[in-house]
Amino acid sequence: NAGVMQNPRHLVRRRGQEARLRCSPMKGHSHVYWYRQLPEEGLKFMVYLQKENIIDESGMPKERFSAEFPKEGPSILRIQQVVRGDSAAYFCASSPLRGGDTEAFFGQGTRLTVV
Amino acid sequence: GNSVTQMEGPVTLSEEAFLTINCTYTATGYPSLFWYVQYPGEGLQLLLKATKADDKGSNKGFEATYRKETTSFHLEKGSVQVSDSAVYFCALSDSNYQLIWGAGTKLIIKP
Repeated sequence: NAGVMQNPRHLVRRRGQEARLRCSPMKGHSHVYWYRQLPEEGLKFMVYLQKENIIDESGMPKERFSAEFPKEGPSILRIQQVVRGDSAAYFCASSPLRGGDTEAFFGQGTRLTVV
Repeated sequence: GNSVTQMEGPVTLSEEAFLTINCTYTATGYPSLFWYVQYPGEGLQLLLKATKADDKGSNKGFEATYRKETTSFHLEKGSVQVSDSAVYFCALSDSNYQLIWGAGTKLIIKP
């Protein structure tokens, strides 16, 4: 059973371009979470999705950021018109059940650099 | 709001030394507490967890006890190895799904 797969591992974008980050959860997991880690900081919750539904996007910036988890295929975190401040590591996690005591399994992250 | 505070790093120790990484938290209710580890170039792995007061989580020689009276969840290991070099994150779950994270503590073990 492969773990949570994130791609690309590293992504470089120029200011104003779009960044698409992909996350394939573990087999059998229907709950996906996205976190952002700024340099020298801990992870910050962005969004929680279940298949085809956004459950909680309270940690997502209101503009330029969107996330989806379609019925088929990976979850996508999309950042439009990237700015230097978007440079960070973006981690995806999945779980078979709603979180809390249930362990969330993390991917290796995508390191986004905006130049 | 809820928060997690960790010992600042880097923490540098010699092999076989005793390790303590401090973690304190602020939360309403009764959160679950976690330690995650991030080895160089890898993703985050759950190291151990505790779901209620006085619980002790343990794994790979690491231990942490959920202390409600001091709101702490310090990570300890009796004898560290070079392979333990990594970044360690303390986190709490204050809801059904959202993890609140500390800033991480980088641990460097010298042979």
